[in-house]
Amino acid sequence: AQSVTQLGSHVSVSEGALVLLRCNYSSSVPPYLFWYVQYPNQGLQLLLKYTTGATLVKGINGFEAEFKKSETSFHLTKPSAHMSDAAEYFCAVSDQDSSASKIIFGSGTRLSIRP
Amino acid sequence: DGGITQSPKYLFRKEGQNVTLSCEQNLNHDAMYWYRQDPGQGLRLIYYSQIVNDFQKGDIAEGYSVSREKKESFPLTVTSAQKNPTAFYLCASSIWQGARETQYFGPGTRLLVL
Repeated sequence: AQSVTQLGSHVSVSEGALVLLRCNYSSSVPPYLFWYVQYPNQGLQLLLKYTTGATLVKGINGFEAEFKKSETSFHLTKPSAHMSDAAEYFCAVSDQDSSASKIIFGSGTRLSIRP
Repeated sequence: DGGITQSPKYLFRKEGQNVTLSCEQNLNHDAMYWYRQDPGQGLRLIYYSQIVNDFQKGDIAEGYSVSREKKESFPLTVTSAQKNPTAFYLCASSIWQGARETQYFGPGTRLLVL
């Protein structure tokens, strides 16, 4: 079975600073990995996803994530934070159980941006 | 525009009352999901449906019921048996691309108990 761990429930960075949100996963099969963003009182929006191929995945709003199999990680980064990046971010992995297809979500990381 | 809609945005429930949350999608997706979100707990799967007229319990199905009579619609009923219904409810649908699926989410419904 798959699982996802997001390190740090709350991350705070200054505007213009590097954003790094950590995600580690466990999977017995090649994973399918996602990052979603959620703004207050809204649904989740897909930021980016890794399927196969290139391990560095570029998403919307300047975010990117790198799949590192040796470290079982899929950390999300952005070179320069904007105030509009303040939101909650969820890492997820697909469940490859043949009897039920589910996506497993991490517990989320709240990103705050300091002026 | 294709997308997923949830209504209402806010819903109030009285003690002992059943309430139904609407989820509609015009993306022609086969699979639909209901999640509950509580602060600090991420998303927990309530029910999901892979195809019309079929649905499966998720991790926290007790006190909830669903139906899937149409491909576009997957309403969730929060029954009086759900003792702690206050939460943010998210509906999602998904499409298979190759061997994998991607989920797309609605804007959510916040349920509050009076």
